[in-house]
Amino acid sequence: QVQLVQSGAEVKKPGASVKVSCKASGYTFSGYHIHWVRQAPGQGPEWMGWINPKTGDTMYSHKFQGRVTISIDMSVTTTYMEINSLTSDDTALYFCAREGMAARLRTEAFDIWGQGTLVIVSS
Amino acid sequence: DIQMTQSPSTLSASVGDRVTITCRVSQSITSRMAWYQQKPGKAPKLLIYKASTLESGVPSRFSGSGSGTEFTLTISNLQPDDFATYYCQQLYIFGQGTKLEIK
Repeated sequence: QVQLVQSGAEVKKPGASVKVSCKASGYTFSGYHIHWVRQAPGQGPEWMGWINPKTGDTMYSHKFQGRVTISIDMSVTTTYMEINSLTSDDTALYFCAREGMAARLRTEAFDIWGQGTLVIVSS
Repeated sequence: DIQMTQSPSTLSASVGDRVTITCRVSQSITSRMAWYQQKPGKAPKLLIYKASTLESGVPSRFSGSGSGTEFTLTISNLQPDDFATYYCQQLYIFGQGTKLEIK
C-alpha cells in the first residue's frame, strides 16, 4: 500500500545535527512532492520545506532557510531532512508528508503522512 | 505574508451534534484550503482539500465550504471517533487548531 516510513527517534545535544529519513513505497515516487512538517509538544504543525523528487528542486520556510537541508535518493525512494545547530526549541515530532495530485495538478494538501520521528534536543 | 486565524480554539459538543470550525485568511487564497483531523501522537489525517473536496474514505458527515478569505469545516452527526483536534491549512501555513471535546 501507499506509505511513508520514517526513521526512529533521536536524542541530540544542543549544537548537533540530525538527519531524518522518509522511505516511500506503493506509488510512483517521482510524481509527488514530499514536504516536511514538525510539531512541537502541545503546538500545531509547522511547515518546514518541500522537495520535488522529479527535479530535485527544494523550497524552504524562511524560518529554516540555511539550517535545514532536504535531499533525496531516488535509488531507494527515500527523502531526507537534516537540521543543523539544534537547540531545545527543535525538540519536536518531525513528519514527512506527500502532497496529493488530482487531474495532474498539485492539490496543496498532504494526503499521505509518515508516522513521525521524535527528535529530542537535550544536554 | 498570509495570516490565518482559526476559531474557536476549543469546542465542546455531544454525540449527534453538528459543529462548525472557521478559518479566516488575511488575503484571498481562492479555494486553496485543506482540513485535517489529528489525534494525540499521530500524524494529521486529511479530510478536505480544495476547500470542499472530500478526501477518499472520509465519511460524508465531514464537509467544507468557503472561498477567498473565509472557510468552514462542518461535522454533522458527531460520532465518538470525531473528538480530536482539527487544523486548517493553506499549503505552507497551518491554523492554530480547534480541540473538539465531549460535552
